[in-house]
Amino acid sequence: DSGVTQTPKHLITATGQRVTLRCSPRSGDLSVYWYQQSLDQGLQFLIQYYNGEERAKGNILERFSAQQFPDLHSELNLSSLELGDSALYFCASTSQSRGNEQFFGPGTRLTVL
Amino acid sequence: AQSVTQLGSHVSVSEGALVLLRCNYSSSVPPYLFWYVQYPNQGLQLLLKYTSAATLVKGINGFEAEFKKSETSFHLTKPSAHMSDAAEYFCAVSETGANNLFFGTGTRLTVIP
Repeated sequence: DSGVTQTPKHLITATGQRVTLRCSPRSGDLSVYWYQQSLDQGLQFLIQYYNGEERAKGNILERFSAQQFPDLHSELNLSSLELGDSALYFCASTSQSRGNEQFFGPGTRLTVL
Repeated sequence: AQSVTQLGSHVSVSEGALVLLRCNYSSSVPPYLFWYVQYPNQGLQLLLKYTSAATLVKGINGFEAEFKKSETSFHLTKPSAHMSDAAEYFCAVSETGANNLFFGTGTRLTVIP
């Protein structure tokens, strides 16, 4: 158990819909990262937040957005969903004291029908 | 820019045989290098990491990796494969001072009894 929790575990929705994925980092970790794992693209970094502020952006679509709240949990919002958005979405967290070691949550599997 | 290349999307070994999973990196700065393992329907677990302290890095479950700057490689090895090692393995790189990870395409390891 990495200490990072993600909800829901599975999500099935239709094209055009909007969903929110939630991540709670390990206790004390200020940084949260979102990654997408798909058959086509592999594991891709989407976005990073540090203590509520956006820190880095990767291959995140404009239809996707994220935020980190004062209690440090993070949400990834995916809108106008397309079939190609079906993937596993992972959240990871780290603290400065652990350097670049990221601890991954179990992921949310999104299926867009 | 950083990237990693994992040679061989599938590797099969017999139980008790040597495991060798290949990873080559590209980085314009001294890299941080990682190996993660993903078991079916689970998140990613850190096996080991290289952060310039020592070129031979020992990780969990008997795995180790050697950083070779001249070859830009960070291959993962284990002397004797166990059935429980069957999983997908990902090599990843990040820049010093930046935390987002760039992953390779993964290598699925099958262990034959």
